[in-house]
Amino acid sequence: ETGVTQSPTHLIKTRGQQVTLRCSSQSGHNTVSWYQQALGQGPQFIFQYYREEENGRGNFPPRFSGLQFPNYSSELNVNALELDDSALYLCASSLLAGVQETQYFGPGTRLLVL
Amino acid sequence: AQKITQTQPGMFVQEKEAVTLDCTYDTSDPSYGLFWYKQPSSGEMIFLIYQGSYDQQNATEGRYSLNFQKARKSANLVISASQLGDSAMYFCAMREVSTGGGNKLTFGTGTQLKVEL
Repeated sequence: ETGVTQSPTHLIKTRGQQVTLRCSSQSGHNTVSWYQQALGQGPQFIFQYYREEENGRGNFPPRFSGLQFPNYSSELNVNALELDDSALYLCASSLLAGVQETQYFGPGTRLLVL
Repeated sequence: AQKITQTQPGMFVQEKEAVTLDCTYDTSDPSYGLFWYKQPSSGEMIFLIYQGSYDQQNATEGRYSLNFQKARKSANLVISASQLGDSAMYFCAMREVSTGGGNKLTFGTGTQLKVEL
């Protein structure tokens, strides 16, 4: 096990609602990245946080936002949920280290939007 | 254009045999990292092996080895002595610098491996 935890494990929401997903990083790691994995696809990068600042963002609209806390844990917030937001959301923690940075993933949160 | 290509949607292998999962990549950055992850049906992405673009030797981690051919831009995963527990989805990924300066992983579409008795 990686030591990266995510909560909740499963979540059901309706279209238009808001959701918050949580991630605790592995001990010693200072960076958290979030990915969305739709069914049958590879994960897609949402954004990364380093020292409580957004350190990079993928091709996701502003209704996807995040936070990182002083203990390096993180939240992913999604506003105005759409049906296409149904996916597995993966959090990964790492120690920012250039080329050799290895991201270790948590078990994910499965979100279903009805 | 796809940056990571995995052309095998599904593979079968018999227990105790070796299997090779293909991955090709596209980048103009001279410094990059290549990763393989395993994703069982439970959903967690498990890190298997890493290869840096400047590494002279192919990476190995236990039963996993990475056949890195830089000129061909390929980074195939070799699993030796397959076990039933190896049945899972396998993803090849490349580390890239994101727009904010941090690192992001770009994943392929994955290969579903089934190990049979």
